[in-house]
Amino acid sequence: DQQVKQNSPSLSVQEGRISILNCDYTNSMFDYFLWYKKYPAEGPTFLISISSIKDKNEDGRFTVFLNKSAKHLSLHIVPSQPGDSAVYFCAASPPTGNNRKLIWGLGTSLAVNP
Amino acid sequence: NAGVTQTPKFRILKIGQSMTLQCTQDMNHNYMYWYRQDPGMGLKLIYYSVGAGITDKGEVPNGYNVSRSTTEDFPLRLELAAPSQTSVYFCASSFTGHPNTEAFFGQGTRLTVV
Repeated sequence: DQQVKQNSPSLSVQEGRISILNCDYTNSMFDYFLWYKKYPAEGPTFLISISSIKDKNEDGRFTVFLNKSAKHLSLHIVPSQPGDSAVYFCAASPPTGNNRKLIWGLGTSLAVNP
Repeated sequence: NAGVTQTPKFRILKIGQSMTLQCTQDMNHNYMYWYRQDPGMGLKLIYYSVGAGITDKGEVPNGYNVSRSTTEDFPLRLELAAPSQTSVYFCASSFTGHPNTEAFFGQGTRLTVV
C-alpha cells in the first residue's frame, strides 16, 4: 500500500504559469517531507523540504505547502520555465532516527511548454 | 567536482550470474545509500551505511550484499541475478542521516537480467 501518493502521473503547463504538483500521504507520523527533481538518465536532485511543524517553505521560485489535517502537500513553481521539465518525486521521512528511510512517491512528470 | 560516481552505467546479466555495482563519492560523506527504481515506481532503499564498517538493511535487501571498507566506496553485490532484479540502481550519499540533509545521487546503473 502506497504511503506516499502522487496521483497525477503527468502535468503540462505553459512557460511563465504556475505549476502545482500534489502529494498525499497516509502516515501522520512522518516528520519531514522532501521534493526531488529527476531528469532523464540522471539521478534525482534535492529541491526543497519541509518539516512537519511548518506549513510553508519557500526557496526562490519553489514553495512547498503542507496541510497536516488533510495529509497533503503541494509544490508550487512560479514562474514555470522549460528547464523545470522533469519528473518530481515527493518523499516522506518516518520518525526512525538518522537513517533516512525515506518513503517515495511514484513521481509526476512535468512538461513546461515554451 | 565528481560527486557520486557509479559504474557501470548499463549492464545486461544472465540469470544466475553475479556482479558488483560500484559507487564512490568524493565529498567525505558518512552516509551512503543504495536505491532501486523499478519502471513507473518510486525509489526503494536496498541498503545504507552510516560510516566505514557499518551497514544496515533497507526496505528491499534480499538478493543483495554490501560492504563499506572506506568512507568513499560503497559497492553493491548481486550474487545470483534474477529477472526481478531488473531495475535502475542509484547510489547516494549525504553528510548526515537527518532527512533534512541533502542527499546527492549518482547517475544510476541500468541493469537488465535475462
